[in-house]
Amino acid sequence: QKEVEQDPGPLSVPEGAIVSLNCTYSNSAFQYFMWYRQYSRKGPELLMYTYSSGNKEDGRFTAQVDKSSKYISLFIRDSQPSDSATYLCAMSEGNTGKLIFGQGTTLQVKP
Amino acid sequence: KAGVTQTPRYLIKTRGQQVTLSCSPISGHRSVSWYQQTPGQGLQFLFEYFSETQRNKGNFPGRFSGRQFSNSRSEMNVSTLELGDSALYLCASARSYNEQFFGPGTRLTVL
Repeated sequence: QKEVEQDPGPLSVPEGAIVSLNCTYSNSAFQYFMWYRQYSRKGPELLMYTYSSGNKEDGRFTAQVDKSSKYISLFIRDSQPSDSATYLCAMSEGNTGKLIFGQGTTLQVKP
Repeated sequence: KAGVTQTPRYLIKTRGQQVTLSCSPISGHRSVSWYQQTPGQGLQFLFEYFSETQRNKGNFPGRFSGRQFSNSRSEMNVSTLELGDSALYLCASARSYNEQFFGPGTRLTVL
């Protein structure tokens, strides 16, 4: 079993929809949680960075961490075709510099 | 502020050869991590350097090695290349540990 599980999709939604992306994990030592967006043939781009449990909002993006359930989410409001990409969750135990990634979810937002 | 740069962007090698990839971190970042990305295994951690010292290492064979210079620039080397080493190699930099920013990657093809 992988430490971080993420549904690869693909997920297809109409423009303007609210998108929910999720990851589950098994390692209770994870403390730092990140979401990256990766366009085809590009490097991952850091979207959200959170520590421990709770919510964090940045524009149209909201990240949620529920450590009791070992479950993290990324919500995208008013989705746009430019949001079409692969979304990767990543997490770290602490001050290690080692990120463990999910497989990534491919999102397509249709105009 | 300039982002993480990686050279070369594309590389074609044959089995048995060795290759060296280069990474220049964001100015002021002292941590450099390397990852391998393949369609089957996703993003996997190779190693992380901080102030010229390897702080953490992933589960890759000894053919994969790296180093970091006093200006924080880093190189990774793969010796005796195998077909399975074909991948996108990503470098990420961070000021301290976990908030990592990725470069565009080097796409290595082994024939």
